[in-house]
Amino acid sequence: EAQVTQNPRYLITVTGKKLTVTCSQNMNHEYMSWYRQDPGLGLRQIYYSMNVEVTDKGDVPEGYKVSRKEKRNFPLILESPSPNQTSLYFCASKGQGANIQYFGAGTRLSVL
Amino acid sequence: GEDVEQSLFLSVREGDSSVINCTYTDSSSTYLYWYKQEPGAGLQLLTYIFSNMDMKQDQRLTVLLNKKDKHLSLRIADTQTGDSAIYFCAESSSIKAAGNKLTFGGGTRVLVKP
Repeated sequence: EAQVTQNPRYLITVTGKKLTVTCSQNMNHEYMSWYRQDPGLGLRQIYYSMNVEVTDKGDVPEGYKVSRKEKRNFPLILESPSPNQTSLYFCASKGQGANIQYFGAGTRLSVL
Repeated sequence: GEDVEQSLFLSVREGDSSVINCTYTDSSSTYLYWYKQEPGAGLQLLTYIFSNMDMKQDQRLTVLLNKKDKHLSLRIADTQTGDSAIYFCAESSSIKAAGNKLTFGGGTRVLVKP
């Protein structure tokens, strides 16, 4: 089954404690991206990757890092989380030339 | 930057039609999408329309696109309680990340009353 898998689904952490949210897709998609969803603001893009070792900033990249060492994986790294990063995070992937993006189920993060 | 705007809230009675509106600013938009998010769930793609189309119908869903006014709407016929959700409008453009980036509106929360 074609899917984008995020882990963990829920995470509560404290300010400054490094964390990684993993994202994996099994569709051999070139494009992957991370969004955060906040009430009234919709989804905003954090980072994206056009292919392996090719990443770029989205609209709200501050406080986040990503890497794309393998085609299937695109982890989101928060080196020093802060309370303003409390949000719902979505990973997405898309094949070259395709019209549709596939979204993961979301990761709800609370930073205390 | 490019904007996508939606009204925040819509209340509708069960059995009536719902119309959710969206405006966007990017004149290079290629595809426009409607996503549904039920409480506590992820994003479900409902439908999408290519920018050179005026209308697309899929069962109870009708999408209307007025490219001149940059206005997109989603009509849900015979609205059911299961249609209660947040609906997001989104657009992509071939000149933004080679057509891969989605720009989302803030979402419209639809409440269906019995």
